[in-house]
Amino acid sequence: SAVISQKPSRDICQRGTSLTIQCQVDSQVTMMFWYRQQPGQSLTLIATANQGSEATYESGFVIDKFPISRPNLTFSTLTVSNMSPEDSSIYLCSGGFAGAASLTMNTEAFFGQGTRLTVV
Amino acid sequence: DAKTTQPNSMESNEEEPVHLPCNHSTISGTDYIHWYRQLPSQGPEYVIHGLTSNVNNRMASLAIAEDRKSSTLILHRATLRDAAVYYCILRRAGGGADGLTFGKGTHLIIQP
Repeated sequence: SAVISQKPSRDICQRGTSLTIQCQVDSQVTMMFWYRQQPGQSLTLIATANQGSEATYESGFVIDKFPISRPNLTFSTLTVSNMSPEDSSIYLCSGGFAGAASLTMNTEAFFGQGTRLTVV
Repeated sequence: DAKTTQPNSMESNEEEPVHLPCNHSTISGTDYIHWYRQLPSQGPEYVIHGLTSNVNNRMASLAIAEDRKSSTLILHRATLRDAAVYYCILRRAGGGADGLTFGKGTHLIIQP
């Protein structure tokens, strides 16, 4: 299993500024992901954080707006750049282990508590 | 990705069993059925997953239809702490390298 910690847990930011969210995992997970959950909505995958290389972004998300780093297997950061009120959301970090999704192997995804961002 | 359909919300009484349905008529042979839940103000947490046979763990049971086009998450004795949004998600074999695709889920309300 894995325990995921995110910092900060919440923040209120001015428009036009940037916020970096940190994600720390207590074990060496293979995969790390970042999600966004807009108010009252479900989770949307932003990107896969790749260790030592550029993140892989989902459609609708770009590196200039959401730069991501993953220097090692247990740590990642997501930056929300040049923020606007539309970026007000909960941002969640997730980790897991790649492998055959069988009943005998651990393929569950673990999530942090999320970072609640409000842009004013 | 194959899509899942769940009721928007369900209501149950405390200490009674809860059956949460999920339809996935376009499921492929290599898709596993995963369930996650999201308690208020928390990140999602894994509940259970299965392929063809019914599965049990300490949290819940998963009943999978013979044709695999639907499944049911069973909470045997609901408590107030089970009030959450429950997500039914299909995940391909070897899909640990992929992020999860969340639908709208079912908002489960537990009445005392």
